[in-house]
Amino acid sequence: GENVEQHPSTLSVQEGDSAVIKCTYSDSASNYFPWYKQELGKRPQLIIDIRSNVGEKKDQRIAVTLNKTAKHFSLHITETQPEDSAVYFCAATLFNKFYFGSGTKLNVKP
Amino acid sequence: NAGVTQTPKFQVLKTGQSMTLQCAQDMNHNSMYWYRQDPGMGLRLIYYSASEGTTDKGEVPNGYNVSRLNKREFSLRLESAAPSQTSVYFCASSSGTAGAFFGQGTRLTVV
Repeated sequence: GENVEQHPSTLSVQEGDSAVIKCTYSDSASNYFPWYKQELGKRPQLIIDIRSNVGEKKDQRIAVTLNKTAKHFSLHITETQPEDSAVYFCAATLFNKFYFGSGTKLNVKP
Repeated sequence: NAGVTQTPKFQVLKTGQSMTLQCAQDMNHNSMYWYRQDPGMGLRLIYYSASEGTTDKGEVPNGYNVSRLNKREFSLRLESAAPSQTSVYFCASSSGTAGAFFGQGTRLTVV
């Protein structure tokens, strides 16, 4: 299977600052990288994704980057708001199976 | 449009009891998944189904069985529950060309 590592496990930022979450994957055949946000007691929800033929994708305040050579991908959140507080998961998709990182708990302080 | 629906939402089992978690999706997706979520360990794949009648083991399949009854439904069975199976279980589905959509989860406690 695939091995996905995610850092940091917790991240605390001041409202308005930027937050960056980083992931690495092990199998170069992985070709699709979604990111999920999970609020306490709720289901994970897809917030943004990137395919292996793209290096960067942006959607309003969030962006993802992918470095296939290094097998790294990252989530960038700008101008953070208290409602961004949640657990974020990265995932790598290998042969249509989603393998998840261990999660980052983001706390945005007002 | 309900998306992915799981039942039950909560369950308490005694060690050795059996139960089946039900999942249904109405998005006409081919792929369906069962994950378990434990603190600090993210979501780990238990079983995957690419289409009706096919299933494949994931990262943590021991102690579980699955059935892909038809395109809509994918059930997870615990034959003899153990305390180590205490977890939150999520069913998900995907078209195969985009991300997975998750059900609301089942919180299972085995005592």
